[in-house]
Amino acid sequence: GENVEQHPSTLSVQEGDSAVIKCTYSDSASNYFPWYKQELGKRPQLIIDIRSNVGEKKDQRIAVTLNKTAKHFSLHITETQPEDSAVYFCAATPPGGYQKVTFGIGTKLQVIP
Amino acid sequence: NAGVMQNPRHLVRRRGQEARLRCSPMKGHSHVYWYRQLPEEGLKFMVYLQKENIIDESGMPKERFSAEFPKEGPSILRIQQVVRGDSAAYFCASSPRDTPHYPSGNTIYFGEGSWLTVV
Repeated sequence: GENVEQHPSTLSVQEGDSAVIKCTYSDSASNYFPWYKQELGKRPQLIIDIRSNVGEKKDQRIAVTLNKTAKHFSLHITETQPEDSAVYFCAATPPGGYQKVTFGIGTKLQVIP
Repeated sequence: NAGVMQNPRHLVRRRGQEARLRCSPMKGHSHVYWYRQLPEEGLKFMVYLQKENIIDESGMPKERFSAEFPKEGPSILRIQQVVRGDSAAYFCASSPRDTPHYPSGNTIYFGEGSWLTVV
Protein backbone atom coordinates (compact mmCIF):
# COMPACT_ATOMS: atom_id res chain seq x y z
CA GLY A 1 0.00 0.00 0.00
CA GLU A 2 0.86 3.67 -0.05
CA ASN A 3 3.41 5.04 2.41
CA VAL A 4 3.78 8.78 3.00
CA GLU A 5 6.78 10.20 4.81
CA GLN A 6 6.76 13.76 6.09
CA HIS A 7 9.48 15.97 7.52
CA PRO A 8 10.39 17.78 9.59
CA SER A 9 8.25 16.64 12.50
CA THR A 10 8.64 20.04 14.17
CA LEU A 11 9.51 23.40 12.70
CA SER A 12 10.02 26.77 14.38
CA VAL A 13 10.28 29.95 12.35
CA GLN A 14 10.29 33.64 13.11
CA GLU A 15 7.22 35.58 12.13
CA GLY A 16 7.60 36.79 8.57
CA ASP A 17 9.96 34.00 7.52
CA SER A 18 9.03 31.16 5.18
CA ALA A 19 8.26 27.58 6.18
CA VAL A 20 8.69 24.51 4.00
CA ILE A 21 7.32 21.04 4.75
CA LYS A 22 8.26 18.09 2.55
CA CYS A 23 6.56 14.77 1.85
CA THR A 24 7.43 11.72 -0.19
CA TYR A 25 5.09 8.97 -1.33
CA SER A 26 5.71 5.43 -2.48
CA ASP A 27 2.84 4.58 -4.85
CA SER A 28 3.53 6.11 -8.25
CA ALA A 29 -0.16 5.67 -9.08
CA SER A 30 -1.22 8.24 -6.45
CA ASN A 31 -2.53 11.31 -8.19
CA TYR A 32 -4.13 13.59 -5.62
CA PHE A 33 -2.24 15.30 -2.78
CA PRO A 34 -4.12 17.40 -0.23
CA TRP A 35 -2.68 19.31 2.71
CA TYR A 36 -4.53 19.74 5.98
CA LYS A 37 -4.02 22.14 8.87
CA GLN A 38 -5.04 21.08 12.36
CA GLU A 39 -5.17 23.55 15.21
CA LEU A 40 -5.06 22.26 18.77
CA GLY A 41 -8.25 20.43 19.71
CA LYS A 42 -9.83 20.95 16.32
CA ARG A 43 -10.44 18.95 13.17
CA PRO A 44 -8.02 18.80 10.23
CA GLN A 45 -9.06 21.29 7.57
CA LEU A 46 -8.06 21.27 3.93
CA ILE A 47 -5.87 24.26 3.05
CA ILE A 48 -4.64 23.41 -0.43
CA ASP A 49 -4.43 20.43 -2.76
CA ILE A 50 -2.74 19.47 -6.00
CA ARG A 51 -3.44 16.89 -8.66
CA SER A 52 -0.80 15.01 -10.56
CA ASN A 53 -1.39 16.86 -13.81
CA VAL A 54 -0.17 20.09 -12.18
CA GLY A 55 3.34 20.94 -10.94
CA GLU A 56 2.57 23.88 -8.70
CA LYS A 57 -0.42 25.60 -7.16
CA LYS A 58 -0.63 28.83 -5.17
CA ASP A 59 -3.22 30.37 -2.91
CA GLN A 60 -2.13 33.67 -1.39
CA ARG A 61 0.67 32.87 1.07
CA ILE A 62 0.63 29.11 0.60
CA ALA A 63 1.85 27.06 -2.33
CA VAL A 64 2.33 23.41 -3.06
CA THR A 65 4.77 21.85 -5.54
CA LEU A 66 4.73 18.32 -6.90
CA ASN A 67 7.56 16.35 -8.49
CA LYS A 68 5.99 13.16 -9.88
CA THR A 69 9.29 11.72 -11.05
CA ALA A 70 10.83 11.97 -7.61
CA LYS A 71 7.52 11.25 -5.89
CA HIS A 72 7.69 14.16 -3.54
CA PHE A 73 5.60 17.22 -2.85
CA SER A 74 6.08 20.22 -0.61
CA LEU A 75 4.10 22.90 1.18
CA HIS A 76 5.48 26.43 1.22
CA ILE A 77 4.14 29.12 3.54
CA THR A 78 5.53 32.62 3.03
CA GLU A 79 5.37 35.60 5.38
CA THR A 80 4.37 33.36 8.26
CA GLN A 81 2.07 34.69 10.96
CA PRO A 82 1.39 33.44 14.51
CA GLU A 83 -1.99 32.08 13.38
CA ASP A 84 -0.14 29.72 11.02
CA SER A 85 1.01 27.81 14.11
CA ALA A 86 -0.61 24.37 13.87
CA VAL A 87 0.06 20.80 12.80
CA TYR A 88 0.16 20.27 9.05
CA PHE A 89 -0.53 16.92 7.41
CA CYS A 90 0.22 15.91 3.86
CA ALA A 91 -1.66 13.06 2.21
CA ALA A 92 -1.70 10.97 -0.95
CA THR A 93 -4.69 9.36 -2.68
CA PRO A 94 -4.64 6.67 -5.36
CA PRO A 95 -6.85 6.77 -8.45
CA GLY A 96 -9.88 4.64 -9.03
CA GLY A 97 -13.02 3.95 -7.07
CA TYR A 98 -11.13 3.07 -3.90
CA GLN A 99 -10.06 6.35 -2.36
CA LYS A 100 -8.08 5.46 0.72
CA VAL A 101 -6.21 8.56 1.84
CA THR A 102 -2.82 7.97 3.45
CA PHE A 103 -1.52 10.71 5.72
CA GLY A 104 1.97 11.73 6.71
CA ILE A 105 2.82 11.86 10.39
CA GLY A 106 2.37 15.61 10.61
CA THR A 107 4.59 18.66 11.12
CA LYS A 108 4.11 20.88 14.14
CA LEU A 109 4.80 24.42 12.99
CA GLN A 110 5.47 27.12 15.54
CA VAL A 111 5.66 30.72 14.37
CA ILE A 112 7.49 32.86 16.91
CA PRO A 113 6.22 36.47 17.10
CA ASN B 1 -24.88 22.52 3.54
CA ALA B 2 -24.03 20.97 6.88
CA GLY B 3 -20.59 19.51 7.22
CA VAL B 4 -19.65 16.12 8.58
CA MET B 5 -21.50 15.68 11.85
CA GLN B 6 -20.08 13.62 14.66
CA ASN B 7 -21.52 12.83 18.05
CA PRO B 8 -20.93 12.72 20.84
CA ARG B 9 -18.14 15.28 20.90
CA HIS B 10 -16.90 14.01 24.22
CA LEU B 11 -17.51 10.63 25.76
CA VAL B 12 -16.30 9.20 29.04
CA ARG B 13 -16.46 5.46 29.58
CA ARG B 14 -15.25 3.18 32.34
CA ARG B 15 -13.00 0.29 31.45
CA GLY B 16 -15.08 -2.60 30.12
CA GLN B 17 -17.97 -0.48 28.86
CA GLU B 18 -18.94 0.03 25.24
CA ALA B 19 -18.42 3.21 23.24
CA ARG B 20 -20.51 4.11 20.19
CA LEU B 21 -19.44 6.97 17.98
CA ARG B 22 -21.70 8.27 15.25
CA CYS B 23 -20.94 10.05 12.01
CA SER B 24 -23.26 11.58 9.44
CA PRO B 25 -21.42 12.41 6.21
CA MET B 26 -21.88 15.60 4.25
CA LYS B 27 -24.96 15.69 2.05
CA GLY B 28 -24.27 13.88 -1.20
CA HIS B 29 -21.25 12.02 0.18
CA SER B 30 -21.27 8.26 0.05
CA HIS B 31 -17.81 7.42 1.39
CA VAL B 32 -16.98 7.48 5.10
CA TYR B 33 -13.61 7.11 6.78
CA TRP B 34 -12.68 6.73 10.42
CA TYR B 35 -9.32 7.87 11.78
CA ARG B 36 -7.90 7.66 15.28
CA GLN B 37 -5.57 10.29 16.71
CA LEU B 38 -3.69 9.83 19.92
CA PRO B 39 -2.44 12.98 21.72
CA GLU B 40 0.48 14.59 19.90
CA GLU B 41 0.31 11.96 17.15
CA GLY B 42 -0.86 11.69 13.56
CA LEU B 43 -4.04 10.44 11.93
CA LYS B 44 -4.17 6.67 11.90
CA PHE B 45 -6.49 5.13 9.31
CA MET B 46 -8.98 2.66 10.74
CA VAL B 47 -11.70 1.86 8.23
CA TYR B 48 -13.24 3.01 4.95
CA LEU B 49 -16.91 2.36 4.23
CA GLN B 50 -19.56 2.94 1.65
CA LYS B 51 -23.25 2.41 2.28
CA GLU B 52 -23.78 -1.16 3.53
CA ASN B 53 -20.24 -2.09 2.55
CA ILE B 54 -16.85 -2.13 4.30
CA ILE B 55 -14.23 -1.35 1.66
CA ASP B 56 -11.08 -1.46 3.77
CA GLU B 57 -10.77 -2.25 7.46
CA SER B 58 -7.04 -2.88 7.45
CA GLY B 59 -6.49 -0.30 10.20
CA MET B 60 -9.05 -1.70 12.61
CA PRO B 61 -7.83 -3.69 15.60
CA LYS B 62 -8.90 -7.31 15.16
CA GLU B 63 -10.87 -7.42 18.39
CA ARG B 64 -13.37 -5.15 20.10
CA PHE B 65 -13.66 -2.67 17.21
CA SER B 66 -16.34 -2.71 14.52
CA ALA B 67 -17.82 -0.23 12.08
CA GLU B 68 -20.90 -0.03 9.95
CA PHE B 69 -22.56 2.36 7.52
CA PRO B 70 -26.15 1.23 7.08
CA LYS B 71 -28.44 2.11 4.22
CA GLU B 72 -30.27 4.53 6.50
CA GLY B 73 -28.70 6.50 9.31
CA PRO B 74 -25.20 7.44 10.36
CA SER B 75 -22.02 5.43 10.30
CA ILE B 76 -21.23 3.89 13.68
CA LEU B 77 -17.83 3.07 15.14
CA ARG B 78 -18.29 0.67 18.03
CA ILE B 79 -15.66 -0.16 20.63
CA GLN B 80 -16.50 -2.95 23.01
CA GLN B 81 -14.92 -3.49 26.43
CA VAL B 82 -12.93 -0.27 26.26
CA VAL B 83 -9.47 -0.04 27.78
CA ARG B 84 -7.42 3.02 28.74
CA GLY B 85 -5.41 2.72 25.53
CA ASP B 86 -8.57 3.43 23.52
CA SER B 87 -8.59 7.01 24.83
CA ALA B 88 -8.12 9.16 21.75
CA ALA B 89 -9.83 11.49 19.32
CA TYR B 90 -11.78 9.65 16.65
CA PHE B 91 -12.30 11.59 13.47
CA CYS B 92 -14.79 10.73 10.79
CA ALA B 93 -14.38 12.06 7.27
CA SER B 94 -16.48 11.82 4.14
CA SER B 95 -16.04 12.25 0.42
CA PRO B 96 -18.32 12.15 -2.60
CA ARG B 97 -18.36 9.27 -5.01
CA ASP B 98 -16.32 9.50 -8.18
CA THR B 99 -17.54 12.08 -10.63
CA PRO B 100 -16.76 12.56 -14.31
CA HIS B 101 -14.74 15.65 -13.45
CA TYR B 102 -12.72 14.04 -10.71
CA PRO B 103 -12.66 10.33 -11.46
CA SER B 104 -10.25 9.81 -8.62
CA GLY B 105 -8.85 11.45 -5.55
CA ASN B 106 -11.72 13.48 -4.19
CA THR B 107 -11.19 15.66 -1.16
CA ILE B 108 -12.19 14.23 2.19
CA TYR B 109 -13.76 16.51 4.78
CA PHE B 110 -13.42 15.90 8.49
CA GLY B 111 -15.94 16.15 11.26
CA GLU B 112 -15.15 17.86 14.55
CA GLY B 113 -14.13 14.58 16.14
CA SER B 114 -15.27 12.53 19.12
CA TRP B 115 -12.96 12.59 22.14
CA LEU B 116 -13.13 9.31 24.03
CA THR B 117 -11.76 9.15 27.56
CA VAL B 118 -11.59 5.80 29.30
CA VAL B 119 -11.32 5.99 33.09
